[in-house]
Amino acid sequence: NAGVTQTPKFQVLKTGQSMTLQCAQDMNHNSMYWYRQDPGMGLRLIYYSASEGTTDKGEVPNGYNVSRLNKREFSLRLESAAPSQTSVYFCASVVARHNEQFFGPGTRLTVL
Amino acid sequence: AQRVTQPEKLLSVFKGAPVELKCNYSYSGSPELFWYVQYSRQRLQLLLRHISRESIKGFTADLNKGETSFHLKKPFAQEEDSAMYYCALSGWQTGANNLFFGTGTRLTVIP
Repeated sequence: NAGVTQTPKFQVLKTGQSMTLQCAQDMNHNSMYWYRQDPGMGLRLIYYSASEGTTDKGEVPNGYNVSRLNKREFSLRLESAAPSQTSVYFCASVVARHNEQFFGPGTRLTVL
Repeated sequence: AQRVTQPEKLLSVFKGAPVELKCNYSYSGSPELFWYVQYSRQRLQLLLRHISRESIKGFTADLNKGETSFHLKKPFAQEEDSAMYYCALSGWQTGANNLFFGTGTRLTVIP
């Protein structure tokens, strides 16, 4: 089991460029999440998907879109990157009965 | 609205000394509380949750509903405990299985 995987690990973008962060899990979890981690602010929820076919906004959704492609995959898209989106992005999934979230290794994104 | 407060951004203790990482929360109802840990170059992972009432790696945390606190404690710190620690809560207000995190405390254990 690979658990939760994320690609890419690092990315540098110019302001206005777009990109998609990929996340996949092989644990048959129903719920998946995207967070951003910023110094002094902890982890903040961007979007989540409680089950395949559904997505909902989290605490900081502006500037992002998501797609729950199937049960395994949950992607995060930046349509027009801004320097304020420089951050480390984490994907997570959860097995509901235990409520323990499993995290991916993160994507470090820099927007110049 | 829910709130999780970790008042210390940085905490340094000597090896063998007791350590306490503070966490206070604000929530209408009965939340579930967690401690997550991120060691250097590793993924964020669950350390413990209040409903389990267990000790993991020598750490314990008791939910105090009167003081709305969930402090993490260990009687004798080890160098391998150096990491970033996040307190988090989950409940119906946060959404299905959603976690609301505090800002984190970086613990450094000095040899």
